[in-house]
Amino acid sequence: QQPVQSPQAVILREGEDAVINCSSSKALYSVHWYRQKHGEAPVFLMILLKGGEQKGHDKISASFNEKKQQSSLYLTASQLSYSGTYFCGTAGMEYGNKLVFGAGTILRVKS
Amino acid sequence: DTAVSQTPKYLVTQMGNDKSIKCEQNLGHDTMYWYKQDSKKFLKIMFSYNNKELIINETVPNRFSPKSPDKAHLNLHINSLELGDSAVYFCASSQAPGAGVVEQYFGPGTRLTVT
Repeated sequence: QQPVQSPQAVILREGEDAVINCSSSKALYSVHWYRQKHGEAPVFLMILLKGGEQKGHDKISASFNEKKQQSSLYLTASQLSYSGTYFCGTAGMEYGNKLVFGAGTILRVKS
Repeated sequence: DTAVSQTPKYLVTQMGNDKSIKCEQNLGHDTMYWYKQDSKKFLKIMFSYNNKELIINETVPNRFSPKSPDKAHLNLHINSLELGDSAVYFCASSQAPGAGVVEQYFGPGTRLTVT
């Protein structure tokens, strides 16, 4: 069963913040975040491993609550270049040796 | 240099035909994957190879057959194409072991359209 992402879509103005959530019903040992721009390949943003570690990548950061099997991606002071579809990918024993992706969150940043 | 490359980028063909998609990575990775992304953007793994050995084989019709001649190449052959096979197929690679703990690098995708 794939992880659930919310919201499905969000529209922001430049400079605004957004949070994208990813929730799994299965125990996880890692959560991955990827961004895909229209017509392009998904691009890796970050991995969060079991341990509740928070990571950052420029003005994009993420957290992982392994007890709740949830991760959140935080985009601060959004830029036009942040537009795209954000996917979380989850890995855990019950998923086998593979990454299972959520349905994606479409983010559109307007000027 | 392109890290993960795929050919062709676009493939338009008729139902019943057989076609192949090729993938190459120059990252020195041991593990390669095929993903299918449907029209709703849902990204689903199909196969994974680790150093030429098949390690993941999802519930994919046996019309799909992957082949890895060496660890830098992973090809996908599809027999008797059907309308429902229309999608974007992505190749990806990562360092072994474990798909869950290392990042994956995706190729540019092959958009397959079956008419």
